[in-house]
Amino acid sequence: EAGVTQFPSHSVIEKGQTVTLRCDPISGHDNLYWYRRVMGKEIKFLLHFVKESKQDESGMPNNRFLAERTGGTYSTLKVQPAELEDSGVYFCASSQASGTYEQYFGPGTRLTVT
Amino acid sequence: GDSVTQMEGPVTLSEEAFLTINCTYTATGYPSLFWYVQYPGEGLQLLLKATKADDKGSNKGFEATYRKETTSFHLEKGSVQVSDSAVYFCALSDNTGTYKYIFGTGTRLKVLA
Repeated sequence: EAGVTQFPSHSVIEKGQTVTLRCDPISGHDNLYWYRRVMGKEIKFLLHFVKESKQDESGMPNNRFLAERTGGTYSTLKVQPAELEDSGVYFCASSQASGTYEQYFGPGTRLTVT
Repeated sequence: GDSVTQMEGPVTLSEEAFLTINCTYTATGYPSLFWYVQYPGEGLQLLLKATKADDKGSNKGFEATYRKETTSFHLEKGSVQVSDSAVYFCALSDNTGTYKYIFGTGTRLKVLA
């Protein structure tokens, strides 16, 4: 069974540019989460999808971030326009429907905004 | 709100030394607790978990016990190896609503041969 995959593994962009991160969850996992780790600090929750619906966006830092999960499969996280403080590692995780609490994480996308 | 406090790193040990990484939490409900590990160049992997008070999670020689009275979930290993060098994250899931994780800051462990 394939794990959670993320693309790209590393992205370097200039301030003001746009970047789109992609996450492919484990097949059959309805729950998809995005997290971010900035500057060696704690990993923070960004948002949660159940299938294609956003259940909780409370961790999204501002309206420069837009997440989608069309069709309830893969998800994208777009940052537009990127700022220096957006640099960090963005993790995606997925889990099965209700009844389990274990999340499976992808390798992360390291975003560097210069 | 809920939070996780993890001991600062880095922690440097000699091979075969005893490891303890402290983790305490604050939660209003009855969270599940986890330890994740990130090896160099890789993603987060679940190391062990405990879903209720007094549960002991164990894996690969690591163990942690869910202590409700002290709100702790300390990670221990009796004899570390060089291959255990990694960053360790303590996390909780509030088991309500989204089941989102709240993480500690991570503790980097370096084991010397």
